[in-house]
Amino acid sequence: GAGVSQSPSNKVTEKGKDVELRCDPISGHTALYWYRQRLGQGLEFLIYFQGNSAPDKSGLPSDRFSAERTGESVSTLTIQRTQQEDSAVYLCASSLARSKQFFGPGTRLTVL
Amino acid sequence: DQQVKQNSPSLSVQEGRISILNCDYTNSMFDYFLWYKKYPAEGPTFLISISSIKDKNEDGRFTVFLNKSAKHLSLHIVPSQPGDSAVYFCAASELTGGGNKLTFGTGTQLKVEL
Repeated sequence: GAGVSQSPSNKVTEKGKDVELRCDPISGHTALYWYRQRLGQGLEFLIYFQGNSAPDKSGLPSDRFSAERTGESVSTLTIQRTQQEDSAVYLCASSLARSKQFFGPGTRLTVL
Repeated sequence: DQQVKQNSPSLSVQEGRISILNCDYTNSMFDYFLWYKKYPAEGPTFLISISSIKDKNEDGRFTVFLNKSAKHLSLHIVPSQPGDSAVYFCAASELTGGGNKLTFGTGTQLKVEL
């Protein structure tokens, strides 16, 4: 596909369960980002991968959050022991180095 | 600490008129600014950007103005069209600092009325 894709589009889980969110960036994009948008708020940076450099994890809100990226392709964001405050839309974006970011449609996570 | 602020949560404009969306920032290290547009249930779509070495950038109906001394930028849409109705996010980054992560404002819901 031409754009960034994310799966699943919606995820409902129970408090305390682990979830995995997937992002497929645009082919050839070296940079990949995760953001989240909680209700009524702006997008909040979580983590950034650039090529083979160590990821910038400065936005991860707690050690329950982690992300991996395989080479310059797929990334997975994992949230362990989910809490209700984790409910949000999780957005992935990709870009060529230091250029405008293209966003996927997001995964809406609801923690009951 | 909100480093990028959009103080107007909503704006209503008549079709054909100018829409002006405002954004303020506090971090003087920001050197690259972007506007994104977001429809419901979709990811944000890039609209226009401006580097801190410029004070204006134009692309069709969209113009972004940057006032570095006031730490303020604005997006002008003229003429406004009903299809422009969406949430507009202002974002900023420290490109020369080596990173490309974006800091977003909370968005302004624009409604263009017929």
